[in-house]
Amino acid sequence: DAKTTQPTSMDCAEGRAANLPCNHSTISGNEYVYWYRQIHSQGPQYIIHGLKNNETNEMASLIITEDRKSSTLILPHATLRDTAVYYCIAVPTGANNLFFGTGTRLTVIP
Amino acid sequence: GAVVSQHPSRVICKSGTSVKIECRSLDFQATTMFWYRQFPKQSLMLMATSNEGSKATYEQGVEKDKFLINHASLTLSTLTVTSAHPEDSSFYICSARAGFGYTFGSGTRLTVV
Repeated sequence: DAKTTQPTSMDCAEGRAANLPCNHSTISGNEYVYWYRQIHSQGPQYIIHGLKNNETNEMASLIITEDRKSSTLILPHATLRDTAVYYCIAVPTGANNLFFGTGTRLTVIP
Repeated sequence: GAVVSQHPSRVICKSGTSVKIECRSLDFQATTMFWYRQFPKQSLMLMATSNEGSKATYEQGVEKDKFLINHASLTLSTLTVTSAHPEDSSFYICSARAGFGYTFGSGTRLTVV
């Protein structure tokens, strides 16, 4: 599985867009980019995933570079409840488990 | 959406006793479930993969005789921490693959005193 690299922590002002980067320069063609987040003392929550194209859902947008070596998760209007650790994970097609890296601790500031 | 229910959410036990944690898929069947452990300020570490009707697959360094996994039905997997010690105190989380992603339980905070 491709290793992903994320900044350890980030701050974002409430109401502004939070842009969380992820580097996955060794990603292979059959690996999806998944994003999960974990609010303190809870189980991880699925946010979004993509392969090549940009994706958007009710929670976030995922922008994947054309060479697929990096991606950015965008929370368009961050709220205090978005404070969490965000994990970017490269998952091969048909993979049977997820391996978590260290993630980015996002703090939304009032 | 797919929901995984984990119980109990919090448990305190004495050293030397065993603790069972349940993980249920509520609205879907899961032939495979996963157990993770998370120590404070650390990421989730995959402990084992639970397979319905067969033996679990353990990650390197995880003692299978200490962390007993049973997956007797398509909706229930259990993790039993046997002869618990204080160093087993941790946050245990289960998950199952549902559709395009993985759904996680809410976790069990185990404290061994």
